[in-house]
Amino acid sequence: EIVLTQSPGTLSLSPGERATLSCRASQSVRNNYLAWYQQKPGQAPRLLIHGASSRATGIPDRFSGSGSGTDFTLTISRLEPEDFAVYYCQQYDSSPPIFTFGPGTKVDIK
Amino acid sequence: QVQLVQSGAEVKKPGASVKVSCKASGYTFTSYYMHWVRQAPGQGLEWMGIINPSGTGTRYAQRFQGRVSMTRDTSTGTLYMQLSSLRSEDTAVYYCARGHLPDVWGQGTTVIVSS
Repeated sequence: EIVLTQSPGTLSLSPGERATLSCRASQSVRNNYLAWYQQKPGQAPRLLIHGASSRATGIPDRFSGSGSGTDFTLTISRLEPEDFAVYYCQQYDSSPPIFTFGPGTKVDIK
Repeated sequence: QVQLVQSGAEVKKPGASVKVSCKASGYTFTSYYMHWVRQAPGQGLEWMGIINPSGTGTRYAQRFQGRVSMTRDTSTGTLYMQLSSLRSEDTAVYYCARGHLPDVWGQGTTVIVSS
C-alpha cells in the first residue's frame, strides 16, 4: 500500500506570495493518479487537481500541479486570502480501487 | 444542482452500530462511484471505501474490513454507510463523495461515540 508524505506540515506565508507544497509517495503512483484537495475549517474538501496536473472544473489558474512517479508538487502562484487552508494530496488507483490521503499541509497567514 | 445531503448527527455508545445516509440529487445516481471518507477531530482525511454505480461491488480500506458496509438504494438515490462495533476512535465527521475521483461532497455527518 502506498504511503503519502506531505511537506512542510505548515507553511506560513503572506497574501501575494507563492506557495509550494510537496507530496511524496512511498512507491511510484501508477499513471500519475494523484489529486490535490483544499479544505477550509468546517467545510468538505474541494477537488483542485487530478492526474497530477489537470485543474478540476472552476479552479483558478493560480493553482497548478506537477510531478510524476513518487514526487509531486502543488503550486499556488499568488496567494489570495481565500487560499489559506489545509491541502491534501491523494493517490487513487483503479485496480483494485484504493485511495490514500496524505496527512495534509496547512497554509496559514504569516 | 448536484447535491449530496447527509443525515444528521449521531451519538452512539461503544459497541453499537451507526448507519449514515447520503441522498443524491441533480444527476444520474447510477452513473457514479461513491466514496465514504472520515475525519476525526483535528485530524486529516481517511478514506473508508468505495461502492460501484450499481451497488454490486464494494472495496473497503483494510482497517475497516469486517466492520463497515456500504450500500446504495438506486430507487431513491440514497447511499448508506454502516459502521459496527463502534469505539471512541470512530468519533469523526463522515463524508460521502461522488465519482471515482470525488468531485462533489456531502456536508458531513458528525458521529460521536461516547459512553
